[in-house]
Amino acid sequence: ELKVEQNPLFLSMQEGKNYTIYCNYSTTSDRLYWYRQDPGKSLESLFVLLSNGAVKQEGRLMASLDTKARLSTLHITAAVHDLSATYFCAVGPYAGQGGSEKLVFGKGTKLTVNP
Amino acid sequence: NAGVTQTPKFRILKIGQSMTLQCAQDMNHNYMYWYRQDPGMGLKLIYYSVGAGITDKGEVPNGYNVSRSTTEDFPLRLELAAPSQTSVYFCASSGVTGELFFGEGSRLTVL
Repeated sequence: ELKVEQNPLFLSMQEGKNYTIYCNYSTTSDRLYWYRQDPGKSLESLFVLLSNGAVKQEGRLMASLDTKARLSTLHITAAVHDLSATYFCAVGPYAGQGGSEKLVFGKGTKLTVNP
Repeated sequence: NAGVTQTPKFRILKIGQSMTLQCAQDMNHNYMYWYRQDPGMGLKLIYYSVGAGITDKGEVPNGYNVSRSTTEDFPLRLELAAPSQTSVYFCASSGVTGELFFGEGSRLTVL
């Protein structure tokens, strides 16, 4: 059974600082997704990582995937207040073992960026 | 391009009432999903569909039903509402990469 663990679950940081959110998963996978959710809003897709070593960057956020370590990281560079949100990773089954109906979501990391 | 559209955005039901949450997508995606999100619990899959006429249960299907008569629409029906169904419901669709595109959500309260 695929299990996904995010840490930390809560993160309070100062503007201008760097930090990393970790997403560990328990079984082989080659598909991982990161989503952002603002309070009271829906989930917005940030990154789609579909192969070992995949790295994607958008603004101050960079996501990477290491399928051998079963680990994805979401790195925040020089945080700004607008990045305050909850970030979810979602892990899909290995190719041939199912589609996105088998995505397992982490519990989310609530990020607060303070001035 | 509207993406995924859900209605209603808010609804209050009495115990035992029934209702349907509507979901429509205009991206020609074959896959559609219904999730519920409870505070601090992440997302749980209720039902999904891989195409018109094909639906299947997810992790938490009890108390819900779905249908998929067209590629665009995927309504979720709640029968005999219970307080445990108080939640935020998200409809989503996906294409070939498996990336989910979510609707704005429907906040349901059962009293």
